[in-house]
Amino acid sequence: QSALTQPASVSGSPGQSITISCTGTSSDVGGYNYVSWYQQHPGKAPKLMIYEVSNRPSGVSNRFSGSKSGNTASLTISGLQAEDEADYYCSSYTSSTVVFGGGTKLTVL
Amino acid sequence: QVQLQESGPGLVKPSQTLSLTCTVSGGSISSGDYYWSWIRQPPGKGLEWIGYIYYSGSTYYNPSLKSRVTISVDTSKNQFSLKLSSVTAADTAVYYCARADNLYYGMDVWGQGTTVTVSS
Repeated sequence: QSALTQPASVSGSPGQSITISCTGTSSDVGGYNYVSWYQQHPGKAPKLMIYEVSNRPSGVSNRFSGSKSGNTASLTISGLQAEDEADYYCSSYTSSTVVFGGGTKLTVL
Repeated sequence: QVQLQESGPGLVKPSQTLSLTCTVSGGSISSGDYYWSWIRQPPGKGLEWIGYIYYSGSTYYNPSLKSRVTISVDTSKNQFSLKLSSVTAADTAVYYCARADNLYYGMDVWGQGTTVTVSS
């Protein structure tokens, strides 16, 4: 069970859109529509932002959206805001277990 | 509103067993509506899923930790627990407990996390 692959960092200016990728295999991301995304601010617990590839929990801004193509899932944040600066983690269900990505640090310039 | 709170020793000696408890308030573990999970995060590193437990006692573990991990549930106390044996410095991390609707949808409620350091 290897960690999913995410870019170490991405950046964008306020108002712009950014996309974070999450690459796995046919055994995890590609095999199931069960990708989740988490936002984590420094010193805080992670927060669920997207589940089942593209669904947003109640209370999560519609500026956050998710998608998947083959073995790669993506998180897009539109209308970037300063408060979006955080670490983002993807995760996938795989054979009764869960695997996380290595995390991506989003910097809002 | 459901809240989760981790508790346990902040310092564990190498080769010993790490033991943590997660207390659930505002909801019942035995309702059967959720799965309960442990996740950890070493200093400056990413998240690592440790395992899930259902109120019935069914467990699902990270294959890389399975030989050392035991997750149990005490419905009478509305708590679930983590035991990690034969710890080393590599097990130093913030340990989180969390709730999930099922095995697939991700974890929607998290505890604040508790730091465990493995050191002599």
